[in-house]
Amino acid sequence: AQSVTQLDSQVPVFEEAPVELRCNYSSSVSVYLFWYVQYPNQGLQLLLKYLSGSTLVKGINGFEAEFNKSQTSFHLRKPSVHISDTAEYFCAVSSYGAGSYQLTFGKGTKLSVIP
Amino acid sequence: NAGVTQTPKFQVLKTGQSMTLQCAQDMNHNSMYWYRQDPGMGLRLIYYSASEGTTDKGEVPNGYNVSRLNKREFSLRLESAAPSQTSVYFCASTFGKETSGQPQHFGDGTRLSIL
Repeated sequence: AQSVTQLDSQVPVFEEAPVELRCNYSSSVSVYLFWYVQYPNQGLQLLLKYLSGSTLVKGINGFEAEFNKSQTSFHLRKPSVHISDTAEYFCAVSSYGAGSYQLTFGKGTKLSVIP
Repeated sequence: NAGVTQTPKFQVLKTGQSMTLQCAQDMNHNSMYWYRQDPGMGLRLIYYSASEGTTDKGEVPNGYNVSRLNKREFSLRLESAAPSQTSVYFCASTFGKETSGQPQHFGDGTRLSIL
């Protein structure tokens, strides 16, 4: 069984400050890792994904994440946030079973950017 | 625009009523999923369909049924709605097992309230 823990349910940060949203996972098999963003009253959009190779992954809107296998972490970072980054962010792990890849989501982190 | 389309966007039901949520994708994806999103709970998988003609239970299937009508369409039915099923429902799709690591694409959700 796999699980995802997002360590912070809410993160307030001032505009133009850096931010890190933390994600830890557990899985007994090789996994693929994703970060999704959800703006108010919308569906989820893919920010970035880690499949293999370089542990530093760059995504859209200036976000990046680092895969750390020894610490089973996949933290999301942005060096300078904007008001438009206010949203909820979900970390997810994917693994194969029963004929399909399935996603297990964390409970989400609400990022609030303060002007 | 290509993507995942969910109907309706909003619905209010009375306890005991039945309803079918519709989902269609035009990306030629093999696998489709239904999730529910509740505050502080992240997304939880209700049912999925790895390929046309197959369906399987996810984490929270009780009270729901699904139909994979064809490759494009995957519907979710509530036979006798209960207040505990008040939630936001998301449909998602992806290519499936032949293309490992592909992200899931999400619809904009159906906001369902049961009184």
